[in-house]
Amino acid sequence: GQSLEQPSEVTAVEGAIVQINCTYQTSGFYGLSWYQQHDGGAPTFLSYNALDGLEETGRFSSFLSRSDSYGYLLLQELQMKDSASYFCAVRDQDIGGFKTIFGAGTRLFVKA
Amino acid sequence: DTEVTQTPKHLVMGMTNKKSLKCEQHMGHRAMYWYKQKAKKPPELMFVYSYEKLSINESVPSRFSPECPNSSLLNLHLHALQPEDSALYLCASSQVGDGGGEQYFGPGTRLTVT
Repeated sequence: GQSLEQPSEVTAVEGAIVQINCTYQTSGFYGLSWYQQHDGGAPTFLSYNALDGLEETGRFSSFLSRSDSYGYLLLQELQMKDSASYFCAVRDQDIGGFKTIFGAGTRLFVKA
Repeated sequence: DTEVTQTPKHLVMGMTNKKSLKCEQHMGHRAMYWYKQKAKKPPELMFVYSYEKLSINESVPSRFSPECPNSSLLNLHLHALQPEDSALYLCASSQVGDGGGEQYFGPGTRLTVT
């Protein structure tokens, strides 16, 4: 089966840096995505790592280590609007084709 | 244009009703998805369509019936639902295969079954 683990909650101060970790177990791993979801909204794509290493997009960076089955999302220069839920999601291939399995989500609270 | 649209935004239906949810995208994506999301939970995959063919059904009860009339449209037909089916139903689209790591979600339909 597949499983993903990420912290349930993280609190940080405006302007700080926060890292949200994700570990996964899956049989047909292809890549790791990150999504942001504000309360009442839909998930928004942030990043996708299929290869080991760090991908940077503005204030957000994402890292993947396939050998460690581990990834993280790094948010820099935190702003109040970054308060949201963040989901890691595994892109997995099984008999039927490709599918995406979401972790339980990390709720980020940014304080002034 | 990276927009996925869904209608209706809200839907209240009785357990004996039949209704449909609609989803549309014009990004040229050939993979489309239905997810169900309960409050404070992650999206849960229901169905995957790849090139207009159903490729994955995550053991969803038959009271949910998906349909992909063409490469831009995805429907979810609902019949004889239960109150526990009340949730946010999200549609998403992406490139096929490994490219599906980057999915675009619609705003969702908030469904209440009475």
